[in-house]
Amino acid sequence: KAGVTQTPRYLIKTRGQQVTLSCSPISGHRSVSWYQQTPGQGLQFLFEYFSETQRNKGNFPGRFSGRQFSNSRSEMNVSTLELGDSALYLCASSLGTSGGNEQFFGPGTRLTVL
Amino acid sequence: GDSVTQMEGPVTLSEEAFLTINCTYTATGYPSLFWYVQYPGEGLQLLLKATKADDKGSNKGFEATYRKETTSFHLEKGSVQVSDSAVYFCALSDGGKLIFGQGTELSVKP
Repeated sequence: KAGVTQTPRYLIKTRGQQVTLSCSPISGHRSVSWYQQTPGQGLQFLFEYFSETQRNKGNFPGRFSGRQFSNSRSEMNVSTLELGDSALYLCASSLGTSGGNEQFFGPGTRLTVL
Repeated sequence: GDSVTQMEGPVTLSEEAFLTINCTYTATGYPSLFWYVQYPGEGLQLLLKATKADDKGSNKGFEATYRKETTSFHLEKGSVQVSDSAVYFCALSDGGKLIFGQGTELSVKP
């Protein structure tokens, strides 16, 4: 069974631009979560989607948004990029939203904002 | 809110040494607990999990026991290998989201 895939793997953008990252979950998984990883703040939860509905949102500004499609694939968008948005963005999928469900992570998208 | 605290790294050990990485948590309910590992340039891999008190998770020689009375989930391995060098994250599940500790870098020398 294929794992979680994320595209692109690397991105370089400049301040003020916007970016869209894509995540394809493991087949059969309906829940997709996004996390931001930085050296200073560590791993922080961005949001979670289940059946095309946002179920949970972390403490990030409105510039960060996401959506999920009917095939469970998800995208996240960051508008008006800032230098501090440089990070590894990780997507994770799971069967459902129960706390006991294991989340399986993709390799991440490395975003660099210049 | 819920939180996870891990021992600070980096931790440097010789091959075949015993490993302990401490993890404590604060939670209002009864979360599931996880250990994830991250190798350089990669995403997170689930190492083991425990869903209720006194559960022991184990995988690849690593073990951790869910201790409700001490709110801990320490990771242990009896004999580490060079290939275990990575960053280890303790996490708890708050509904559908994971709350992570800051990570502990482990370096194993031959």
